[in-house]
Amino acid sequence: RKEVEQDPGPFNVPEGATVAFNCTYSNSASQSFFWYRQDCRKEPKLLMSVYSSGNEDGRFTAQLNRASQYISLLIRDSKLSDSATYLCVVNIDRGSTLGRLYFGRGTQLTVWP
Amino acid sequence: GAVVSQHPSRVICKSGTSVKIECRSLDFQATTMFWYRQFPKQSLMLMATSNEGSKATYEQGVEKDKFLINHASLTLSTLTVTSAHPEDSSFYICSARIMGQGTDTQYFGPGTRLTVL
Repeated sequence: RKEVEQDPGPFNVPEGATVAFNCTYSNSASQSFFWYRQDCRKEPKLLMSVYSSGNEDGRFTAQLNRASQYISLLIRDSKLSDSATYLCVVNIDRGSTLGRLYFGRGTQLTVWP
Repeated sequence: GAVVSQHPSRVICKSGTSVKIECRSLDFQATTMFWYRQFPKQSLMLMATSNEGSKATYEQGVEKDKFLINHASLTLSTLTVTSAHPEDSSFYICSARIMGQGTDTQYFGPGTRLTVL
């Protein structure tokens, strides 16, 4: 079983729409959680960390449910520039000498005008 | 923010040759760097953890004799794909880890696209 599972999509939404992505992780010892964004043929870039209490950064809201081992990302008022692949990422070894990140396959989002 | 560079950005080589990829942290020191590989429409897969001054730690299924990693300084790690074959064609990405008070963040290089003919 993969460490991180995501619905690959694709999601095709109009500008201004609200869209939600989900992700599950298999290792209950996972320590920290992130959403990264990857544009076509580019490296992934950190979008936001995900905290247990849930957190918001502008139009983006991330939620974590440790009991269900479930992470979500909500994007409100979608912009054309939000079109990208969104990667759910889990760190199992935070603070230790390892610090490995495990990436989901990514969910592709296309926002159309 | 922290900057990580990779060189070369793209390489095309013949089957059987070896290819070296460099990963540098430009404005910070990184005791730990990571190497990932991404095939088309797949997720990034961690290949190995590169620790300055010690041997790399490889993930299960990654051949250490084929993917040689050297972390010679706090700002440079290299990945050498030895005797490359077409199935090694992929997008190779490195990251450098910064740990501080309450933070543990990885910054990614721009990646190296390897095509083996």
